[in-house]
Amino acid sequence: GESVGLHLPTLSVQEGDNSIINCAYSNSASDYFIWYKQESGKGPQFIIDIRSNMDKRQGQRVTVLLNKTVKHLSLQIAATQPGDSAVYFCDRSRDMRFGAGTRLTVKP
Amino acid sequence: DSGVTQTPKHLITATGQRVTLRCSPRSGDLSVYWYQQSLDQGLQFLIQYYNGEERAKGNILERFSAQQFPDLHSELNLSSLELGDSALYFCASSLASADTGELFFGEGSRLTVL
Repeated sequence: GESVGLHLPTLSVQEGDNSIINCAYSNSASDYFIWYKQESGKGPQFIIDIRSNMDKRQGQRVTVLLNKTVKHLSLQIAATQPGDSAVYFCDRSRDMRFGAGTRLTVKP
Repeated sequence: DSGVTQTPKHLITATGQRVTLRCSPRSGDLSVYWYQQSLDQGLQFLIQYYNGEERAKGNILERFSAQQFPDLHSELNLSSLELGDSALYFCASSLASADTGELFFGEGSRLTVL
């Protein structure tokens, strides 16, 4: 069946380092992916999206990479800051099945 | 501020009771989505409405129901509450019902069932 899963439930990085959060999907019909960030006690917020006709998309300090061959999506955060500490979810084509997410903790 | 308003922010009630959670979408958004998030869990999609009509259904229990009104606000009704229903309930909205485009989430309603 369809699924959107995350490789790691938690990720801890040092402030200033780059972070990479991964997501796998199983339905090759997917054509659109979104990353959301959820800070403690708040609702998820849109970070960046990517369509399947792209391999890479860059935002402010964030880059999303899409590897359709292995059905893998990653979110890269450059120069991670304490304010990046949150749970990150990937969503496939408005599949609305976010999965458990990856909790990113940034150590000062 | 996402523009999505949810009330109440916090609610404490007892098992067996019934509660109603309310959501006002962003101005102009026609789609409303409801999600449940239990402690340290992911977002569980419950149901989606588009312009007053049910559009998609997720893992919503029969004890739960929702509707979207002509003014586009939505209500999620939870009845015969159980301890396991304690969770954060999020509402999100989007302009259309298409498969693309971001969702705008409210701050959630935290339900505690004692």
